[in-house]
Amino acid sequence: AQSVTQLDSQVPVFEEAPVELRCNYSSSVSVYLFWYVQYPNQGLQLLLKYLSGSTLVKGINGFEAEFNKSQTSFHLRKPSVHISDTAEYFCAVSEWNAGNMLTFGGGTRLMVKP
Amino acid sequence: DAGVIQSPRHEVTEMGQEVTLRCKPISGHDYLFWYRQTMMRGLELLIYFNNNVPIDDSGMPEDRFSAKMPNASFSTLKIQPSEPRDSAVYFCASRPTSGANVLTFGAGSRLTVL
Repeated sequence: AQSVTQLDSQVPVFEEAPVELRCNYSSSVSVYLFWYVQYPNQGLQLLLKYLSGSTLVKGINGFEAEFNKSQTSFHLRKPSVHISDTAEYFCAVSEWNAGNMLTFGGGTRLMVKP
Repeated sequence: DAGVIQSPRHEVTEMGQEVTLRCKPISGHDYLFWYRQTMMRGLELLIYFNNNVPIDDSGMPEDRFSAKMPNASFSTLKIQPSEPRDSAVYFCASRPTSGANVLTFGAGSRLTVL
């Protein structure tokens, strides 16, 4: 069965600093990987996805993530954060043969301080 | 496109009352999902439909919960009778048949059961 672990429940960072949000997954088969963002009182929005091909994936708002199969990780990065990036970020995994099972991690709250 | 539309956005009710949450998926999306989000358990998949047919309801907590999809543009999640532990944000999401599990989420319905 697939599972996702987001190692940090909260990440405080100053504006314009770089940030990395960590995500590790567990699966015995090939996977699709996703990062979603949730702003206060809103639903989840897709930031980026890895389906196949290049392991470095670029998303919206300057975010990118790198798929590392050997380490079963899909960490999210941004070189310089803004106050507006303050939100909850969710990593999610879907196994190729698991139909429509999308499993979410527990979320990481990114808090950008001025 | 107006996106996935959920109503009500907020619901406060008393224990024992019936609660009905509604969802209108994106036109043309064949899959519809209901998720529940709480601080303790994170995001949980409750049930999903394909072409209006329930496919997997193994995440529905108990018989007090029921979901229907009478047509391609409408779904309901009903709780009867409601209990305080049902307090959560309930999300509806949809996706097309081809989409590698990329979901579009509604804004959510925040339920408080007193």
